[in-house]
Amino acid sequence: SQQGEEDPQALSIQEGENATMNCSYKTSINNLQWYRQNSGRGLVHLILIRSNEREKHSGRLRVTLDTSKKSSSLLITASRAADTASYFCATVPGERAGGTSYGKLTFGQGTILTVHP
Amino acid sequence: DSGVTQTPKHLITATGQRVTLRCSPRSGDLSVYWYQQSLDQGLQFLIQYYNGEERAKGNILERFSAQQFPDLHSELNLSSLELGDSALYFCASSVGVGATDTQYFGPGTRLTVL
Repeated sequence: SQQGEEDPQALSIQEGENATMNCSYKTSINNLQWYRQNSGRGLVHLILIRSNEREKHSGRLRVTLDTSKKSSSLLITASRAADTASYFCATVPGERAGGTSYGKLTFGQGTILTVHP
Repeated sequence: DSGVTQTPKHLITATGQRVTLRCSPRSGDLSVYWYQQSLDQGLQFLIQYYNGEERAKGNILERFSAQQFPDLHSELNLSSLELGDSALYFCASSVGVGATDTQYFGPGTRLTVL
């Protein structure tokens, strides 16, 4: 079963606009990560946020984490056509959830982002 | 290019058969992970190896097995294949075994069971 649920399932925007994707999860986490997948290809790691962090930036990406609500959001600013892809959140369980320090990623269902030129 | 290689890229086989998927991790990476991606189940963690030893297991079927060899490449063996095993199988690698180690994914093997 999937740990994360992502919202929306699909997002269509114009180039230059911002895109926001949300992820919710169920159990306590060690960290939450975001990945991108281009059309049936391998996943690319975008950013990792630890459970004791609230916000993180990387280039045009901004990730927030609210552990009290068990949710995260990914913001892509000034989107480009090349950002068109599926975006997945993935969690690594925390100790309270019975997790270990091993990197067992549990993925959400993903958000399909389409950026129109 | 992540540096992780997977062979073959595509595999078409029949129900009841057995196949082997191969993964070579990035140079220097000791951990290898296997994931399955299907339309109905999404992306699921199968198993992790670190330096030849199994370290974590997900919902991997008993018909599936994996191993990591001394040269650190890994193989995922799928036997008694069923139609529902059709999926993309990804291998990923990381330097260590920690929860915050970045996982680098290969391009995947697309398995079609007819």
